[in-house]
Amino acid sequence: GAVVSQHPSWVICKSGTSVKIECRSLDFQATTMFWYRQFPKQSLMLMATSNEGSKATYEQGVEKDKFLINHASLTLSTLTVTSAHPEDSSFYICSARDLRGQTQYFGPGTRLLVL
Amino acid sequence: GEDVEQSLFLSVREGDSSVINCTYTDSSSTYLYWYKQEPGAGLQLLTYIFSNMDMKQDQRLTVLLNKKDKHLSLRIADTQTGDSAIYFCAERVNRDDKIIFGKGTRLHILP
Repeated sequence: GAVVSQHPSWVICKSGTSVKIECRSLDFQATTMFWYRQFPKQSLMLMATSNEGSKATYEQGVEKDKFLINHASLTLSTLTVTSAHPEDSSFYICSARDLRGQTQYFGPGTRLLVL
Repeated sequence: GEDVEQSLFLSVREGDSSVINCTYTDSSSTYLYWYKQEPGAGLQLLTYIFSNMDMKQDQRLTVLLNKKDKHLSLRIADTQTGDSAIYFCAERVNRDDKIIFGKGTRLHILP
């Protein structure tokens, strides 16, 4: 089956630093990738849709300058949390849609803790 | 608007069937999904159904779709302790191709 990886799986950083999270589709190509965040015992909240070779589309209320997304190839999208603060601590999950476009495959998630 | 509703908790005895229900509001949904999330892990796609289908069965999993009532259900036969997880219902909205998730149903297995 389709596999999506994320790196790192968890990260602890000091307030004010930037953190980059990678999302890779390992055995398929994905023109579209999605970034979600999930607070404890909550559902997934879509942050942005990332299209290969073009600018990401952000959901209402998500700061694009705070959460920088780059989708440079058909197998890699990155999310950079700039100047992270404790309220950015969350579980960040990416997903990738295959070229047929029928479904999304999710990565294992990255747990971010900002001290 | 787009909204997916599901009950938050379900307790089932081991060996019984679990039925998790979901309702959605957008009639333009093309695909409907069930995802499973175990503690601290990402989402695992369990199954999906196209909006022109009524039922889909895959081993212990049966998905029923009532498009008229916008109701989706997931039945897990012979529930095992390994089925303990949060189950998310999700719809893919045709209009802008986003996937909207419900809040998840936490399935608890009783011995």
